[in-house]
Amino acid sequence: KAGVTQTPRYLIKTRGQQVTLSCSPISGHRSVSWYQQTPGQGLQFLFEYFSETQRNKGNFPGRFSGRQFSNSRSEMNVSTLELGDSALYLCASSSPHSDRGTGELFFGEGSRLTVL
Amino acid sequence: QKEVEQNSGPLSVPEGAIASLNCTYSDRGSQSFFWYRQYSGKSPELIMFIYSNGDKEDGRFTAQLNKASQYVSLLIRDSQPSDSATYLCAVNMNRDDKIIFGKGTRLHILP
Repeated sequence: KAGVTQTPRYLIKTRGQQVTLSCSPISGHRSVSWYQQTPGQGLQFLFEYFSETQRNKGNFPGRFSGRQFSNSRSEMNVSTLELGDSALYLCASSSPHSDRGTGELFFGEGSRLTVL
Repeated sequence: QKEVEQNSGPLSVPEGAIASLNCTYSDRGSQSFFWYRQYSGKSPELIMFIYSNGDKEDGRFTAQLNKASQYVSLLIRDSQPSDSATYLCAVNMNRDDKIIFGKGTRLHILP
């Protein structure tokens, strides 16, 4: 069974540009969550999507957005990049058959974004 | 108060000893608690979850939950060098159903 796939794995952008990151969840998983990981702040919740609907959103500015497609694949976009957006962006999917409260998140390998 | 707090460490423990990792959380109504392990350069992976007060054991790992004190811990018995990693405490917040992570505790098992 394939795991969570994130693309691209690494990317370098300059300030002011925008970036789109992609996540393909484990087959059958309908919930996709996004997290930003930095050494100083740890894993910070960005948003969660379930059946193409944003179910939850973290405390990030509106420059951070996301969406989910009918096949459960998800994308997140960051516009007007700032130096502080440099981070590892992790996507995680979870099973629809488990209690939503289990929190068993299966993480992808992440997309490492560097903003120059 | 941060939503989920952990001591960042590093916590150094001799091989074969018990490693004790702690976590506190702010949302008293939270019901689901998790421990993830993250090796350097890798993604987090779930190692334990606990919903009820008390202890839950799985092999060398024991999760302990005290909802009255809003405290979760992870004990690793017979620590091995392969246990050296960052351990992340995660809580499914009752108020908004978000899964929030602590910053993690770096654990170093000394051979």
